[in-house]
Amino acid sequence: DAGVIQSPRHEVTEMGQEVTLRCKPISGHDYLFWYRQTMMRGLELLIYFNNNVPIDDSGMPEDRFSAKMPNASFSTLKIQPSEPRDSAVYFCAIDRGDGYTFGSGTRLTVV
Amino acid sequence: QKEVEQNSGPLSVPEGAIASLNCTYSDRVSQSFFWYRQYSGKSPELIMSIYSNGDKEDGRFTAQLNKASQYVSLLIRDSQPSDSATYLCAGRPRDSNYQLIWGAGTKLIIKP
Repeated sequence: DAGVIQSPRHEVTEMGQEVTLRCKPISGHDYLFWYRQTMMRGLELLIYFNNNVPIDDSGMPEDRFSAKMPNASFSTLKIQPSEPRDSAVYFCAIDRGDGYTFGSGTRLTVV
Repeated sequence: QKEVEQNSGPLSVPEGAIASLNCTYSDRVSQSFFWYRQYSGKSPELIMSIYSNGDKEDGRFTAQLNKASQYVSLLIRDSQPSDSATYLCAGRPRDSNYQLIWGAGTKLIIKP
């Protein structure tokens, strides 16, 4: 989606390695969300930001996950160290008032 | 009871027929609802939002909200094979203007 750009599209990494996922919202948002999607658990909210400030990170699975939003146009989600159970599609989304606009997602595979 | 509940399907509908997708919600969810379509390997895409009791139409899509019975539905008229996807229902919790509570999605298959 043009409103949110995520990179990389695919990431394959070995267990124990650090992984950084990136999100660039284009404009016009106050809230930014990081989601994880798996077949078993569906869409899970990990963390969200309001005006670049983390508001609720209760969905972050454990201390291995961290997220930052240094400015309105950039956010990162880092996993260190990665584990096979982290394999999923990770989405970044923004709220423009009438629903969310999602990025194209990053498919993460940890082997 | 899940806060937003959908039948996982798959729901199989012949081409040209009406596909009816349903979603029920708990008291925690407010009156704002959203339907998203997700093709395999793609991100969710907003189809429709509905805030008021009744029907809202947009092309071949009609969203229906029944507050008394706490359900919201999506009708797709003249179903096309390209409508085959997973449809996600989401609602805003009463204590938030920005969060969404998601259903697990219904897989829809349109058979030519």
